[in-house]
Amino acid sequence: GAVVSQHPSRVICKSGTSVKIECRSLDFQATTMFWYRQFPKQSLMLMATSNEGSKATYEQGVEKDKFLINHASLTLSTLTVTSAHPEDSSFYICSARVAGGNNEQFFGPGTRLTVL
Amino acid sequence: QKEVEQNSGPLSVPEGAIASLNCTYSDRVSQSFFWYRQYSGKSPELIMSIYSNGDKEDGRFTAQLNKASQYVSLLIRDSQPSDSATYLCASLGPGNTGKLIFGQGTTLQVKP
Repeated sequence: GAVVSQHPSRVICKSGTSVKIECRSLDFQATTMFWYRQFPKQSLMLMATSNEGSKATYEQGVEKDKFLINHASLTLSTLTVTSAHPEDSSFYICSARVAGGNNEQFFGPGTRLTVL
Repeated sequence: QKEVEQNSGPLSVPEGAIASLNCTYSDRVSQSFFWYRQYSGKSPELIMSIYSNGDKEDGRFTAQLNKASQYVSLLIRDSQPSDSATYLCASLGPGNTGKLIFGQGTTLQVKP
């Protein structure tokens, strides 16, 4: 159990385009999902906390208009990188917290974004 | 600033040995702790969670929590080359946000 999927796993896009990443909890409900970014050989960096049915909470320094988050249901959150630039190239990973659980977070497999 | 500290390593152990990974945390009221394993180029995978003082065993893994000393450790018995990865320690952050505070991770190398 506790499987989280992400789609796509890898995306290459041109500078200026927008990219949407989906995060789904497959076998549990997740009232809260989290979006992280990780650059090579660096630590995970929390970008935002996504709660079902409400606006996401962004970490300091993360532009909410650039990284649009929608948590439309208890099993789906999406991250849209708008007007992507090469510096947005990174490994984006979502995680989901099991509703009513012990605060364990389960991570999706990640999405590797390359902006040309 | 609540922090979780880990030695970045690398920690090198021979195959079959016990690997001991340590983590300290600054927030005395933290109640929940987690160990994740992250292979290079992959996302983190939850290995263990621990909430009470003492030891918690799961297969070759044992998590240890000492709230008085504010440290958490992970022991891996009979280490295998496939255990080579970065191990992330995390504590549950304050409030009810569910946010985890991660250490920078310890890289473990198990040499055959």
